[in-house]
Amino acid sequence: NFMLTQPHSVSESPGKTVTISCTGTSGSIANNYVQWYQQRPGSVPTTVIYEDNQRPSGVPDRFSGSIDSSSNSASLTISGLKTEDEADYYCQSYDPIYEKVVFGGGTKLTVL
Amino acid sequence: EAQLVESGGGLVRPGGSLRLSCAASGFTFNKYYMSWVRQAPGKGLEWVANIKEDGSEKYYVDSVKGRFTISRDNAKNSLFLQMNSLRAEDTAMYYCAREDGYNYGHWGPGTLVTVSS
Repeated sequence: NFMLTQPHSVSESPGKTVTISCTGTSGSIANNYVQWYQQRPGSVPTTVIYEDNQRPSGVPDRFSGSIDSSSNSASLTISGLKTEDEADYYCQSYDPIYEKVVFGGGTKLTVL
Repeated sequence: EAQLVESGGGLVRPGGSLRLSCAASGFTFNKYYMSWVRQAPGKGLEWVANIKEDGSEKYYVDSVKGRFTISRDNAKNSLFLQMNSLRAEDTAMYYCAREDGYNYGHWGPGTLVTVSS
């Protein structure tokens, strides 16, 4: 089955740039769109990137997404980090062979 | 504005059953795939099941196949999840979510299911 693997945690200082990876296994990550969700403690997930690199209205352009076919991975990059960016981030895609939605395990971003 | 509100969660003993509901409003319900996504306490998001716009196709994560059934009533703008043979590992917040393409653009606040003796 197609799976998505994320680092358990990352940390960076305010104003810096951080990149969170999402690596696909048992399938090509480029075959289906990747989404990224932000979940703050006690809150519902919200989309920060959809269709690999699209930002919903209201999401600042400090957030960007990309796909690297050579490493079979997607990345979420957040520049100009703010303390309010501290949250859990999840990548999500689709397994077309088994017709299942797949989430990565989540990455806890600490901004300190 | 699209709204989703789940209900039906609660405390149930192992082996018991629960039926979750999700009331949708503010959009044309019968034009969207809908999903249930769960999150165990302190854990990540896990897709549980989804259902096509007209209810003709349903898909499940392997761990709930044969125990859970997703359904919808488009006339009542409602989504359901019948959960049977519940296990401790089914304990989670259950979210109803609307699929905008492959993106979950709208989520309900969730309903908590606790399976414990």
